[in-house]
This record gives sequence, structure tokens and C-alpha cells, in this order.
Amino acid sequence: EAQVTQNPRYLITVTGKKLTVTCSQNMNHEYMSWYRQDPGLGLRQIYYSMNVEVTDKGDVPEGYKVSRKEKRNFPLILESPSPNQTSLYFCASSLPYSGRDHNEQFFGPGTRLTVL
Amino acid sequence: DQQVKQNSPSLSVQEGRISILNCDYTNSMFDYFLWYKKYPAEGPTFLISISSIKDKNEDGRFTVFLNKSAKHLSLHIVPSQPGDSAVYFCAASRRESFGNEKLTFGTGTRLTIIP
Repeated sequence: EAQVTQNPRYLITVTGKKLTVTCSQNMNHEYMSWYRQDPGLGLRQIYYSMNVEVTDKGDVPEGYKVSRKEKRNFPLILESPSPNQTSLYFCASSLPYSGRDHNEQFFGPGTRLTVL
Repeated sequence: DQQVKQNSPSLSVQEGRISILNCDYTNSMFDYFLWYKKYPAEGPTFLISISSIKDKNEDGRFTVFLNKSAKHLSLHIVPSQPGDSAVYFCAASRRESFGNEKLTFGTGTRLTIIP
């Protein structure tokens, strides 16, 4: 089954304790990205990756890091989490821009993070 | 600066009737407009899209209309079914440099279909 998986699904942590949220896709997609969803703000892009070893900032990258060492995995790293990073996080993947049509982005099930 | 706006946080519709969800945008550079559907505890799933050069796209019970002069799009669901109860996100797509297809999302509308 084609899917994007995220782990953990739920996490409660404390300020300053480093954490990693994993994301993996089995569709051989080049493009992957991370979003956060907050009440009244919709989904906002944190980071994206066009391919292995190619990453760039989205709209709200502060406090986050990513890496793309393998095509299927795109972990989101919070080196020193703060309460304002309490949010619902989604990973997404898609084929790269073809020049003609948009490509559907497939989303993972989400990770609900609470930073105390 | 909310470039994509969904002004109705919730909508209730009787089963079998038409559901109309609305979305406004401010950036005329968007290439595509999309609707995503989200059930609780799941990620958003793609529903339907429309190119900025078209004014209507239909897929079964779902039709999206685009009014470029008003910078407005709408999603029509007819007939509405109980399984349509979900949060619907409007999104706009723009090509950035190096091929990033950036999606800008609205805040979502929670649709409830009343049996």
C-alpha cells in the first residue's frame, strides 16, 4: 500500500529536550516536505526537500532542522523544543514538478506534539 | 498575511442537499487551486484541483469553480453524503524556484452532513 508514515503519532515532551519525528514514504517520491497545522492558521510549510541531500526552508523553519540522507526518509529534528512548537505536524511527499501539471501531495497521518 | 482564506469555520448541510464551500485568495500568481479533505486523526487527502486557466473542474459529485476576477473558488458537493463530513482545506499552489511546488493552505471548513 502506497503511504507516508510518521512516528511517533503523539508525543509529550519538555522544553529543551531534543526530539526527532520520523517520516518515511514508499512511493519513490523525490519531493518531501513538513507542515505544521495550528488553529486559525491552516497548514504552513516548515522545510522541503527536492531530493536526497537537497533541502530548503519553507515559511516557518525557525527551531527546526531536517535531513535527507535517503530518498524514502525525511526526519524533522527539534534540537531544543519550546512550547510554541506545540502543534500538529504533517509530512508529505510527491513526484517532482513536471512542468505541466501539479503533483498531488500525499500526507502522513500527523504527529501531535506537546512541549511543556 | 493570510493569502488563502476560508471564512466559514463550519457548515452543516442536510444529507442529499448541495454543500458549497468557499475560498478566497489574494495572490494572482497561484498556478493551481486544490481542495483537500481531512478526517480526524488522519492526514489531508487530495480531493480535486483546478488550473488557474480554467473556471470549472468536475469529478463525480465534486465540482470546483474558479472566479479569477473575484479571486474566489468554491467546492460543490452534490448530493452530500454522511461520509463527506470532514474538514475541507482549500489550498493554492505556486511554482517556486528550483521546482518547489509550495502549497498555501486556508484555515479549513468543518462540514457536517446531517442524516
